[in-house]
Amino acid sequence: GENVEQHPSTLSVQEGDSAVIKCTYSDSASNYFPWYKQELGKGPQLIIDIRSNVGEKKDQRIAVTLNKTAKHFSLHITETQPEDSAVYFCAASRAGSARQLTFGSGTQLTVLP
Amino acid sequence: NAGVTQTPKFQVLKTGQSMTLQCAQDMNHNSMYWYRQDPGMGLRLIYYSASEGTTDKGEVPNGYNVSRLNKREFSLRLESAAPSQTSVYFCASTPTGGGNEQFFGPGTRLTVL
Repeated sequence: GENVEQHPSTLSVQEGDSAVIKCTYSDSASNYFPWYKQELGKGPQLIIDIRSNVGEKKDQRIAVTLNKTAKHFSLHITETQPEDSAVYFCAASRAGSARQLTFGSGTQLTVLP
Repeated sequence: NAGVTQTPKFQVLKTGQSMTLQCAQDMNHNSMYWYRQDPGMGLRLIYYSASEGTTDKGEVPNGYNVSRLNKREFSLRLESAAPSQTSVYFCASTPTGGGNEQFFGPGTRLTVL
């Protein structure tokens, strides 16, 4: 089955700096890669996703890059703000009748004011 | 439109007791999922239901059973709770059987003594 590794497990940045979280996956058939943000006491919420036919996707301060050859993808957050502090999860899945997500172990991002 | 709702929010059980976690969605989604979240391990899929009337095992199904009662509701049952099942449980749903964002509920925090 799919295995997703996520690094780092914790990340602290100064407000205004950039943050990068990296994930690798094992299943070359995976073609969908979402990123979720989880605030304390809440369920995860999708912030951005990318499919395997695209190398990069941006949404305001958030971007995701995908390298299919190396089987890794990354989340980039620019101009970080205190409200970006949360746990971020990457995930991967292959196409199917029900898209089963395999999640990374999570990154606790802290933005210091 | 409440999205995905879960009951209860918190529960404490003694070893050997049984209980059912309830999940409902009002978005007319076809697929529903149950995950457990443990520290440092991300979210792991317990069971999923691609559509009404079907259920399948995920990564960690042992000790659990599920029922897709109708299109809206997907319940998770612990027949004989064990301390290893202490976790936070999340229900999620996605439209059209896959390929899209999974929407998560707020979670149920379960402690088994």
